[in-house]
Amino acid sequence: NAGVTQTPKFRVLKTGQSMTLLCAQDMNHEYMYWYRQDPGMGLRLIHYSVGEGTTAKGEVPDGYNVSRLKKQNFLLGLESAAPSQTSVYFCASKRGQNEKLFFGSGTQLSVL
Amino acid sequence: EDQVTQSPEALRLQEGESSSLNCSYTVSGLRGLFWYRQDPGKGPEFLFTLYSAGEEKEKERLKATLTKKESFLHITAPKPEDSATYLCAVQAGRGADGLTFGKGTHLIIQP
Repeated sequence: NAGVTQTPKFRVLKTGQSMTLLCAQDMNHEYMYWYRQDPGMGLRLIHYSVGEGTTAKGEVPDGYNVSRLKKQNFLLGLESAAPSQTSVYFCASKRGQNEKLFFGSGTQLSVL
Repeated sequence: EDQVTQSPEALRLQEGESSSLNCSYTVSGLRGLFWYRQDPGKGPEFLFTLYSAGEEKEKERLKATLTKKESFLHITAPKPEDSATYLCAVQAGRGADGLTFGKGTHLIIQP
């Protein structure tokens, strides 16, 4: 099992450009999450999904959109990137409500 | 609002020097408290889950404990490979909303 796979690993954008981050998990997990990690801020939840076709907002959802068309994939989109979105993005998944999260290896995004 | 506070922010120990990391939390309806380890450039890696006050779990040189207000991660006779950032997180509410994380403790073990 590969676990949780994120692509790309690194990306540099110019302000106003758009991009999509892909998260794929092969553990048949129902729940999937997108977090961002910034120095001094810890991990903050952006959006999450409790199953195929569902999405919900987390703590810091502004400027991001998500989709979960297939159970194994969770996409995070930036429609018009801003320098404030420079961060490391982590995808995570879990099997049940109170169970542990499995994390991907992260995407380092820089917006110039 | 759920809050998780970790202390200290950073800790430098000599190899073999035991210590404890603290995680204090304020949540409505704790469903679980989680400890993760994060190495530079990698995603968090799961260590422990604690569900109720008084519960303890151990793994090699690490032992996690839980009270109604805080959790401790005890590190006994640490080695340089234990150097990492240790993250504490809580699961509250409906359980589907994701974990609320503390800012972490950056631990350095010097040989």
